[in-house]
Order: sequence, then C-alpha cells, then structure tokens
Amino acid sequence: DIQMTQSPSLLSASVGDRVTLNCKASQNINKNLNWFQQKLGESPKLLISYTNNLQTGIPSRFSGSGSATDYILTISSLQPEDVATYFCFQYNSGPYTFGAGATLELK
Amino acid sequence: QVQLKESGPGLVQPSETLSLTCTVSGFSLTSNSVHWVRQPPGKGLEWMGIIRSGGSTDYNSGLKSRLSISRDTSKSQVFLKMNSLQTEDTAIYYCTRMRDWGQGVMVTVSS
Repeated sequence: DIQMTQSPSLLSASVGDRVTLNCKASQNINKNLNWFQQKLGESPKLLISYTNNLQTGIPSRFSGSGSATDYILTISSLQPEDVATYFCFQYNSGPYTFGAGATLELK
Repeated sequence: QVQLKESGPGLVQPSETLSLTCTVSGFSLTSNSVHWVRQPPGKGLEWMGIIRSGGSTDYNSGLKSRLSISRDTSKSQVFLKMNSLQTEDTAIYYCTRMRDWGQGVMVTVSS
C-alpha cells in the first residue's frame, strides 16, 4: 500500500502569512493527489484535485503543486477562515490512502 | 443538486455487523464512483473502499476481510457492510464522490 506522510502535523501561522503544507508519497503517484480541508464538526471539502486543479468556489489563495512523490499545498495569504485540518489523498493505485492530516491554527 | 446521505444504526454491539446505506441524488452511480471514508473521534480520515461506475470494488487492505460494498443503481443507493465490529470501529462514516460528501453518520460500537 502507498503511504502518505504529511508535514508538519501542526502549524501555527499569522493572518497574511504564506503557508505551505507538505505531502510525501512512499512511491510515485503520478500527480493523482487531492487536497481536502476539514473544519471542526464539518465534512471534508475538496480543495484541489490532480495536484493543482482548484475546485470551483475555492479561493485563489489556495494552490497545489508537485510531482512523483512530493506534493505541496500553498495558502498564499492565510485568512482566519482557513483554520482547519488539511488532508492529502492519493488515488493513483488501490488501495487509496489519506495522509494523517495537518492542523493549521492561528498564531 | 448533488446530495449524498448516509443512514444506519447509531449503535452496534461488538462482534455484530454494521450495515449502512448511502442514498445519492443529482448524479448517476453508473457514471460516478462512490467511496466510503471513516473518521474515529478526534482522528484522521481513513479510506475504506470504493465502488466504481462499472461496479468493481476495491478495499482498504486492513478491512478487506470484513468489508463489502455494493449498490442498487435503480434506487441510487450504495451499501456498506462490515462484520465483526469492535470498539475501534467507532467512527463517523461518510460516503463521498470526493467532490461531494455526505454529512456522515456516527456509529458507536458498544455493549
């Protein structure tokens, strides 16, 4: 099975900061990676599909990049409403797998 | 609009079988895959399995021996059955097509 390792697991940042969250796959996943945001008490929300495809309605401050085994979610200017836990998810080959999550909090 | 809604028992006895239903609207199961994902209280997301548009399935390696996913396309429903439940199976269970998610159903395994 492909293992997905997210780092850091917890990040404190200030409003306006540029934030980067990392996701590393145990083998090449050919950009078949999604990013989800989950706020407390809510269902997850798809932010980005296939590494860098921003979903409709998601603010343009979110972006994704990467290839092979290494992927990044970037928030260009952190807003208070971005406080959440972020999960990466690989769907390159079954069984599919989530990363453990990265919790983003305000400093 | 697209909706997914999970339903099932909130409480299951240890060693018993969990049966959940995901009723979808706004899209066709013959054109979309549906996944089951669960989340234990305070923990991360765990992918459980998928039923693809063509009807094929794939499962989490650690759950494969206990888990079955099926569907009834005429009723727009996807089913999850998992046997031999233990307390560590206590979680919110979601059905999703990735860009759309249900609200989840909390399942507690307890005697």
